[in-house]
Amino acid sequence: EVQLVQSGAEVKKPGESLKISCTASGYRFNSYWTGWVRQMPGKGLEYMGVIYPGDSDIRYNPSFEGQVTISAVRSISTAYLQWNSLKVSDTAIYYCVRADYGGKSFDSWGHGTLVTVSS
Amino acid sequence: QSVLTQPPSVSAAPGQRVTISCSGSRSNIGDNSVSWYQQLPGTAPKLLIYDNDKRPSGIPDRFSGSKSGTSATLGITGLQTGDEADYYCGTWDSSLSAVFGGGTTLTVL
Repeated sequence: EVQLVQSGAEVKKPGESLKISCTASGYRFNSYWTGWVRQMPGKGLEYMGVIYPGDSDIRYNPSFEGQVTISAVRSISTAYLQWNSLKVSDTAIYYCVRADYGGKSFDSWGHGTLVTVSS
Repeated sequence: QSVLTQPPSVSAAPGQRVTISCSGSRSNIGDNSVSWYQQLPGTAPKLLIYDNDKRPSGIPDRFSGSKSGTSATLGITGLQTGDEADYYCGTWDSSLSAVFGGGTTLTVL
């Protein structure tokens, strides 16, 4: 069974750094694109970017490039989403996703990590 | 403002059929396949339809998808109260980014 297990909820202050994780199991992690989707409170889904762990190819949504860093560690089948300086507007649920069906659909989703940024 | 346009809400009675539209452009839906996702209240989204009209294993055939030109449609027959959820269409655009619709809230009256 494919599983994406994300790290727990975080409460941070503006300007702080943060790295959240997504650990995959049940499939060959290196062979699938893994990505991140943001959902701000009461809003829709926004694609942030993906990484291919097999060769560390990373593709960002231009709207998020420079704002976050996506990475992965193959040996522990884990992908990461990182911020160097959080803003209040980063408050959202962040979903880890696996892309399948030719990399065109997000067939598996993590449970989501709630990040709250407040002074 | 989402790249893909969906109606904010739709409603129908139990047992009835409902459709949800998703409108885009040549650079996204026109050139790429469409997926549909269901997000039940308080849960993560789930893939319902991929490649315009295909259902992943475990998705009942009450759910169907179609695409024509720069628009796509999700159909749900035999509506159940458990189908109340937000539904999102998704595809890719010319910048190789995934794009989503703004979501449609389905109410089963």
